[in-house]
Amino acid sequence: DQQVKQNSPSLSVQEGRISILNCDYTNSMFDYFLWYKKYPAEGPTFLISISSIKDKNEDGRFTVFLNKSAKHLSLHIVPSQPGDSAVYFCAASVGAQKLVFGQGTRLTINP
Amino acid sequence: DAGVIQSPRHEVTEMGQEVTLRCKPISGHNSLFWYRQTMMRGLELLIYFNNNVPIDDSGMPEDRFSAKMPNASFSTLKIQPSEPRDSAVYFCASSLHGSSYEQYFGPGTRLTVT
Repeated sequence: DQQVKQNSPSLSVQEGRISILNCDYTNSMFDYFLWYKKYPAEGPTFLISISSIKDKNEDGRFTVFLNKSAKHLSLHIVPSQPGDSAVYFCAASVGAQKLVFGQGTRLTINP
Repeated sequence: DAGVIQSPRHEVTEMGQEVTLRCKPISGHNSLFWYRQTMMRGLELLIYFNNNVPIDDSGMPEDRFSAKMPNASFSTLKIQPSEPRDSAVYFCASSLHGSSYEQYFGPGTRLTVT
């Protein structure tokens, strides 16, 4: 049973435009959410996180939105740059327990 | 400052052989995680340790898999005997505050079992 789902395996966006990556979850007990970014032949790296007591967290070009009623998480990247091309994983946890990852979305930024 | 170190980076072995993957976490981190990445299942947590003690091994696929953390600076993931379906990229990660916080991943070990 996949508790964290990224339904889009891939996304292609033009450079300079907004990239929106989506993530849905089923466990209402999740209280902390994170996004990780992964380049080929490297491990995932932490990008941005949000606590369930918030609905938005912003860090430069990256903003994460949380809609608890819809059990939906999204990552906005604006403006998109070629270096943003990577696989993005969303993850969630309950308290200080283990992270549950989605399957990832491959983002390609076209010049 | 060194990140998480994994060895080997690539491993090719024949079915039935024993495979040992190694991980050195970031110094001072007290939590260590082993993950497996496959196309079908994405990134799955296999096991994690807090202060060298295994906390949750429910993700370990079967008895052929075992993990140890004899001290704060070293962990192993062993597969014995290995099977072709074990082919995947195995990641080790560590964190300072526990699994809800930022985890720092190693570069991974790509395992191919023929």
